Amino acid sequence: GDSVTQMEGPVTLSEEAFLTINCTYTATGYPSLFWYVQYPGEGLQLLLKATKADDKGSNKGFEATYRKETTSFHLEKGSVQVSDSAVYFCALGDYGGATNKLIFGTGTLLAVQP
Amino acid sequence: EPEVTQTPSHQVTQMGQEVILRCVPISNHLYFYWYRQILGQKVEFLVSFYNNEISEKSEIFDDQFSVERPDGSNFTLKIRSTKLEDSAMYFCASSKGGVRTDTQYFGPGTRLTVL
Repeated sequence: GDSVTQMEGPVTLSEEAFLTINCTYTATGYPSLFWYVQYPGEGLQLLLKATKADDKGSNKGFEATYRKETTSFHLEKGSVQVSDSAVYFCALGDYGGATNKLIFGTGTLLAVQP
Repeated sequence: EPEVTQTPSHQVTQMGQEVILRCVPISNHLYFYWYRQILGQKVEFLVSFYNNEISEKSEIFDDQFSVERPDGSNFTLKIRSTKLEDSAMYFCASSKGGVRTDTQYFGPGTRLTVL
């Protein structure tokens, strides 16, 4: 079945460092791809999404490009801040029946140090 | 900005007891979902609900689970007889549409602890 694989965490970076969190997927159809973020004590918030190949989702300095040829959707940010410390989840939207369930990766904890 | 809310934030119960987790989806959304995350594991889909019916459910969603939209605003998940392995964070989500491009908006979660 469909699945998402994320790089293991935790990822520890210094402020202003470059961030990459790898995400690859397996899907039989043509899914949409999402990054959600979970700040401490809060729920899942949509960070960005891409719905077709070569689309780039972006938000708050984060970017991810839907790469169909490599089945990847890696999250990047050029300069992280302490406030970016959170758990990041890659997910795919799997069209099954009449609704759209999300399939999540395991999540990657990012810790940014001042 | 509209948001999904969930109550309670934390529920502690004894094994075998019934629990009801409550959610208020975003008001103009039509599709509703429950997910759960066992500590240290992936967020897993449980069930989706549209037009007062279950649209899809996972193998986790057995006869012990049920969902209901009792009025125009609430969406509930009931576990009839809780087991230790039901301990998890339960997330409610809603979306305006039900196609793959629609965004699901999540609530803050209810942490269920079964003793």
